[in-house]
Amino acid sequence: GGIITQTPKFLIGQEGQKLTLKCQQNFNHDTMYWYRQDSGKGLRLIYYSITENDLQKGDLSEGYDASREKKSSFSLTVTSAQKNEMAVFLCASSIVTGGGYEQYFGPGTRLTVL
Amino acid sequence: SQWGEENLQALSIQEGEDVTMNCSYKTYTTVVHWYRQDSGRGPALIILIRSNEREKRSGRLRATLDTSSQSSSLSITAAQCEDTAVYFCATEETGNTGKLIFGLGTTLQVQP
Repeated sequence: GGIITQTPKFLIGQEGQKLTLKCQQNFNHDTMYWYRQDSGKGLRLIYYSITENDLQKGDLSEGYDASREKKSSFSLTVTSAQKNEMAVFLCASSIVTGGGYEQYFGPGTRLTVL
Repeated sequence: SQWGEENLQALSIQEGEDVTMNCSYKTYTTVVHWYRQDSGRGPALIILIRSNEREKRSGRLRATLDTSSQSSSLSITAAQCEDTAVYFCATEETGNTGKLIFGLGTTLQVQP
């Protein structure tokens, strides 16, 4: 089996600050995803990457940047944190893109902006 | 939105009861994923059903998919306290992008 590790577990930032969230997977999966989960809402896709150095925008990419420098890692940057923003950011990976394959999720990074 | 409003629900049942959670979706899909999310953790896949399967079972779980009505359901037989979680359905966007479109989720509380 494998595991997805997300760091940090909790992230507190100030309004306007640039914040980076990191994700590592040891499944050797090609595809990785970043989702945002707000209370009372489902997960919404921010960015995904089908291979090293590839980036594809999701439905919620505005205000975020992403980086896939290695197959095993995928970083997400909040370019300018918004005051009172609270959400959980979930990283996921899958062996291939599409075709009904499972996505494996990490435990999440909980963001609070003061 | 991809989902009907009925996809956001909170259910509370007694241990041993059966429960069914429903999802309806608006755009075409060939696969419906069902995930469960425990408090403080990421979602985990519990059952996946494809358009050529009307029903799929896994232990006490049963999923159905009706592509004509664009709806899916997840049933749990003889629910246990450890089934307490949030359950999400997700459709897979066509075009092999791998993008999942998640519903709002059903919070299930199983009381002892």
